[in-house]
Amino acid sequence: DTGVSQNPRHKITKRGQNVTFRCDPISEHNRLYWYRQTLGQGPEFLTYFQNEAQLEKSRLLSDRFSAERPKGSFSTLEIQRTEQGDSAMYLCASSFSQTSPLHFGNGTRLTVT
Amino acid sequence: KQEVTQIPAALSVPEGENLVLNCSFTDSAIYNLQWFRQDPGKGLTSLLLIQSSQREQTSGRLNASLDKSSGRSTLYIAASQPGDSATYLCAVVDGDSNYQLIWGAGTKLIIKP
Repeated sequence: DTGVSQNPRHKITKRGQNVTFRCDPISEHNRLYWYRQTLGQGPEFLTYFQNEAQLEKSRLLSDRFSAERPKGSFSTLEIQRTEQGDSAMYLCASSFSQTSPLHFGNGTRLTVT
Repeated sequence: KQEVTQIPAALSVPEGENLVLNCSFTDSAIYNLQWFRQDPGKGLTSLLLIQSSQREQTSGRLNASLDKSSGRSTLYIAASQPGDSATYLCAVVDGDSNYQLIWGAGTKLIIKP
């Protein structure tokens, strides 16, 4: 399967701990996106990369959130000092260009207790 | 600021019926519109992408139309099946949002056997 892969599928953590998620996009896609989704809502944009450059970051993203894509391939999203409000599904997506279809992974569901 | 609305939020129909899902957007200056399907606890699957210059796209039993001037898109599902049960989301790309997807909240569709 050459789709977008996300790990882990589920993460349960205690408030105050740090967590890191990984996304492996489709290999020929140079654009990679991170979204957050809560129940009954559409995805909320967090940040995106073109190759290794992080081109935009949502104003909703606090300083506790950081994302990297060091070699323009896989990406990581780290949340420091997690809060209960961080509980959500974190989705990664990739695309070939800015107006081509977006392909999503199955997401990482984070539960902060 | 672009806003995307999907009405109704939920829809339940008997198997075999043809149905239409609606998506409206406030700014007609879009690059494309994309319809997605999301199964519970999963990521999103791209169904159809309509470029701004197109009026419709078809894939199997699905047909998506786009009327930019009125700010509307519809997703038509023919001969619905229980396996079509999912949440359907639409999203638009516009230049003012730096080519980011602006999402509707989705329509939860239930097909009753």
